[in-house]
Amino acid sequence: IAGITQAPTSQILAAGRRMTLRCTQDMRHNAMYWYRQDLGLGLRLIHYSNTAGTTGKGEVPDGYSVSRANTDDFPLTLASAVPSQTSVYFCASSQTGADNSPLHFGNGTRLTVT
Amino acid sequence: GQNIDQPTEMTATEGAIVQINCTYQTSGFNGLFWYQQHAGEAPTFLSYNVLDGLEEKGRFSSFLSRSKGYSYLLLKELQMKDSASYLCAFLDSNYQLIWGAGTKLIIKP
Repeated sequence: IAGITQAPTSQILAAGRRMTLRCTQDMRHNAMYWYRQDLGLGLRLIHYSNTAGTTGKGEVPDGYSVSRANTDDFPLTLASAVPSQTSVYFCASSQTGADNSPLHFGNGTRLTVT
Repeated sequence: GQNIDQPTEMTATEGAIVQINCTYQTSGFNGLFWYQQHAGEAPTFLSYNVLDGLEEKGRFSSFLSRSKGYSYLLLKELQMKDSASYLCAFLDSNYQLIWGAGTKLIIKP
């Protein structure tokens, strides 16, 4: 089934540890995104990539990094986790970036930083 | 500045009609999306409006008024499976999505 796969589904992480959230899509979409979703707030963009080999910062990039070595994969790394990074993280993709193509979301990673 | 607002929670009865409003302010606008998100799941695309007026898709319709900075999602013949959060988001002048916090819709039998 075509779509976006995120791993892990959930994770409890000690503060200060490094963690990489994985995201893979098989739709050959050019653009990919990482969002965090917190109760009472709208989805907030962390980083994005409009095409393989390029990345950009979103609204809340501090403490996170991404890479886009190929079309399919877009991992998100927390270099040194802090409790404020406790959230649900969604990876998404769209046919093209910077236009009105709808987003397709993965099922999310629920991260708790203790 | 930019902002977007929608009610936090609404309750409706199975079989009825409900309208979920979304208001926004922005200097540049490239369309508005509605997404549905069931609890614990990913958001899924419902509709996109860039011109004024009503777009109908089965039981769901979406309306946009650009001059008023206003959109609504209309759900008819409500079913229990429509219990979910409904997210509105607009595309700003840089084609960045600005998201509302979502409206949790509770359907009662």
